[in-house]
Amino acid sequence: GAVVSQHPSWVICKSGTSVKIECRSLDFQATTMFWYRQFPKQSLMLMATSNEGSKATYEQGVEKDKFLINHASLTLSTLTVTSAHPEDSSFYICSAPKPGRWTGELFFGEGSRLTVL
Amino acid sequence: LAKTTQPISMDSYEGQEVNITCSHNNIATNDYITWYQQFPSQGPRFIIQGYKTKVTNEVASLFIPADRKSSTLSLPRVSLSDTAVYYCLVGDNNNDMRFGAGTRLTVKP
Repeated sequence: GAVVSQHPSWVICKSGTSVKIECRSLDFQATTMFWYRQFPKQSLMLMATSNEGSKATYEQGVEKDKFLINHASLTLSTLTVTSAHPEDSSFYICSAPKPGRWTGELFFGEGSRLTVL
Repeated sequence: LAKTTQPISMDSYEGQEVNITCSHNNIATNDYITWYQQFPSQGPRFIIQGYKTKVTNEVASLFIPADRKSSTLSLPRVSLSDTAVYYCLVGDNNNDMRFGAGTRLTVKP
């Protein structure tokens, strides 16, 4: 069945470096993908909506120059955390709508845990 | 503003039925209601979705009253492995996919 896969599952980096997280839709095409961030014991916070072939739509308060989103193909969206700092340490999750007629169902990736030292 | 409101936490015991209600007073005509389950350090997993009335699948039932301003997720005979956070989400056409606070369900032996 349709699956969304993220890579890497976890990453540790030094402060000031950039980290790229990939989100792939397997066996289906996703013109839209959503990126979320989740801190411990908190809900998922929508960061941006990634649109294939166009610029991402960022939520209020999310720095687009810091969290670069590229949706270059119908099966891949990437989130790059630029010049990462310890406060960017979080669990990042992507999702894509179930293909076909919209019913509200989203397929989620496994999540990527970022730790910035 | 959050589109949904749920209880922050609930406790239950193994074998009991658990009902979690979500309020969505401003639901739009085209919005669907979906529920997700999330375990620690994992992405959410789809449980059930509906538009109106009652929906049942192999894991849960979803009750939606006629005015659609709320919905209730019903988990029959919960087990310890059902301990998780449950989120309801309302949305239309891939837009505005924002999560509320969710309900942390703890199932005790």
